[in-house]
Amino acid sequence: DTGVSQDPRHKITKRGQNVTFRCDPISEHNRLYWYRQTLGQGPEFLTYFQNEAQLEKSRLLSDRFSAERPKGSFSTLEIQRTEQGDSAMYLCASSLSSGLGNQPQHFGDGTRLSIL
Amino acid sequence: KNQVEQSPQSLIILEGKNCTLQCNYTVSPFSNLRWYKQDTGRGPVSLTIMTFSENTKSNGRYTATLDADTKQSSLHITASQLSDSASYICVVPSGTYKYIFGTGTRLKVLA
Repeated sequence: DTGVSQDPRHKITKRGQNVTFRCDPISEHNRLYWYRQTLGQGPEFLTYFQNEAQLEKSRLLSDRFSAERPKGSFSTLEIQRTEQGDSAMYLCASSLSSGLGNQPQHFGDGTRLSIL
Repeated sequence: KNQVEQSPQSLIILEGKNCTLQCNYTVSPFSNLRWYKQDTGRGPVSLTIMTFSENTKSNGRYTATLDADTKQSSLHITASQLSDSASYICVVPSGTYKYIFGTGTRLKVLA
């Protein structure tokens, strides 16, 4: 178990640029989540994958956000035409699905995005 | 509306002292409640998961309690250490894959 890894850890970019983050979940985990967290707040749900299928996307997300999980392995989150309000920590988590629904989510250490 | 509320928002204690963090939830139907520890600049790490049939669960110096009738949970930290300084987040699943996160309690342990 090497844990969930995210890359890059930090990203600084100018407003209007596109950015892409990568998440490598724990290998046997079929569920993958993306969250956004701002200072002093809990993680906010962005999107969810079951294997390679994106089953849910938050209504809070604009069309500038897109996520993929090809082949049900790693996932990418892209933000187009970044805005100041996109500055946040972007967290990825993975878990196993179970009938009891009591599997823990394993989080990566996130990508901190700063928009200049 | 499904909500998770935590108190206090922040807490400062001296090393070696005990403390208790509170979590109230209104998520229904209820299946389980989770406590996570989040160090600054890191992702949350699971401390414990409690199902509705569990009243108390311990993980080292961390003890979580759950009262499913009053929809309250607490996390008790015994003999605090400097490394306990972190945010502690209460999470309740809502449905198959949605999770309702509290805003966390920021704990600072002073030497």
